[in-house]
Amino acid sequence: EIVLTQSPGTLSLSPGERATLSCRASQSVPSDYVVWYQQKPGQAPRLLIYDAFFRATGVPHRFGGSGSGTDFTLTINGLEAEDFAVYFCQQYGTSVTFGGGTKIEV
Amino acid sequence: EVVLVQSGAEVKKPGESLKISCQVSGYTFTSFWTAWVRQMPGKGLEWMGMIWPGDADTRYTPSFQGQVTISADKSINTVYLHWATLKASDTATYYCARHINYGGDSGYFDFWGPGTVVTVS
Repeated sequence: EIVLTQSPGTLSLSPGERATLSCRASQSVPSDYVVWYQQKPGQAPRLLIYDAFFRATGVPHRFGGSGSGTDFTLTINGLEAEDFAVYFCQQYGTSVTFGGGTKIEV
Repeated sequence: EVVLVQSGAEVKKPGESLKISCQVSGYTFTSFWTAWVRQMPGKGLEWMGMIWPGDADTRYTPSFQGQVTISADKSINTVYLHWATLKASDTATYYCARHINYGGDSGYFDFWGPGTVVTVS
């Protein structure tokens, strides 16, 4: 099983700043098949990024995914109020596993 | 518009049975896997398993094999998650989600239901 470790656990930032979230895999993820989700309190996760760097439909351009192999990054340029949430990565190169999440707080 | 509607919150006692539902619309139900994902209070996401409604092919992760049963009713575009005997540790929010399959059980989840909160106490 591929284990995903997200860091940091919590990111304290202000609106307008850049957020950089890390997702590290215990082994190389085949085909870089990684997605990122955003989850707000009391809501279901929302797909942001698939195949490591493609934005899902309707996702603002300030969200960007990058990385390959074992290291993947979600970058949010210019945080807006609605971006303060928890973010999960998930790999699907071998079955499905999720990271533990990163919370972005004000 | 793709929509997944889940049944309402449940409060049950240990040892009781439970079946929750997820009705989908906005796409061809039998052409996509539908999955269930667990989120325990304050915790992360865990993929439980999924079903291909077209032929009821069902797959479970090892952690949930034998613990739950996933089924589907094609006539009403609905997927179910069933427990025969609930435990306190089943307390969680359960999400159904459309699974975009990349072969085998690999894939990601592009549309999610709002979640069903299950409390076992």
